[in-house]
Amino acid sequence: SYELTQPPSVSVSPGQTASITCSGDKLGDKYACWYQQRPGQSPVLVIYQDSKRPSGIPERFSGSNSGNTATLTISGTQAMDEADFYCQAWDSDTVIFGGGTKLTVL
Amino acid sequence: EVQLVESGGGLVKPGGSLRLSCTASGFTISGHNMHWVRQAPGKGLEWVSSISTSSSYIYYADSVKGRFTVSRDNAKNSVFLQMNSLRAEDTAVYYCATVTDGGLDYWGQGALVTVSS
Repeated sequence: SYELTQPPSVSVSPGQTASITCSGDKLGDKYACWYQQRPGQSPVLVIYQDSKRPSGIPERFSGSNSGNTATLTISGTQAMDEADFYCQAWDSDTVIFGGGTKLTVL
Repeated sequence: EVQLVESGGGLVKPGGSLRLSCTASGFTISGHNMHWVRQAPGKGLEWVSSISTSSSYIYYADSVKGRFTVSRDNAKNSVFLQMNSLRAEDTAVYYCATVTDGGLDYWGQGALVTVSS
């Protein structure tokens, strides 16, 4: 079965750029999505189709996907961005999630 | 306002059954494939099941295949998850979600299912 691998944690200083990776076999041949989940809240879609932002998502969130790795980049990271982030792709008609990355802003 | 509301969660003994409902407001689900995703306490997201707009295509994760059944009633703007033969490892918050352009764009607030004796 298809698997997506994320680092368990990433730390970033306020105002700096955070990058969260997601690895999977030939992931670049699929579309990747990213979700932000704050404690006690439902996940929120922040990137779809590799690099598109839904309405209402700040421009500081961006995404890319090539080869075996998709990357979520948060520019000018703010304290409010601290959350768990999950990547997601499709394997045939099923949804695959990465294990999640805890982003700490310190 | 677009909203998905799950209901039907609760405490159930191992081997028991539970039926979750997800009712939409602010839009009609008839044009959307619908998904169930769960999250065990302190763990990551796990996709559970999906159902296409006309119920023609239904898929399940291996972990629930043969025990869970997904259905929908477009007239009631609702989707359902019948969960049988529940196990302790099914304990989780269950979310329903819509899909647009490949992303799960709207999520409910979740329903907690606890399987314990």
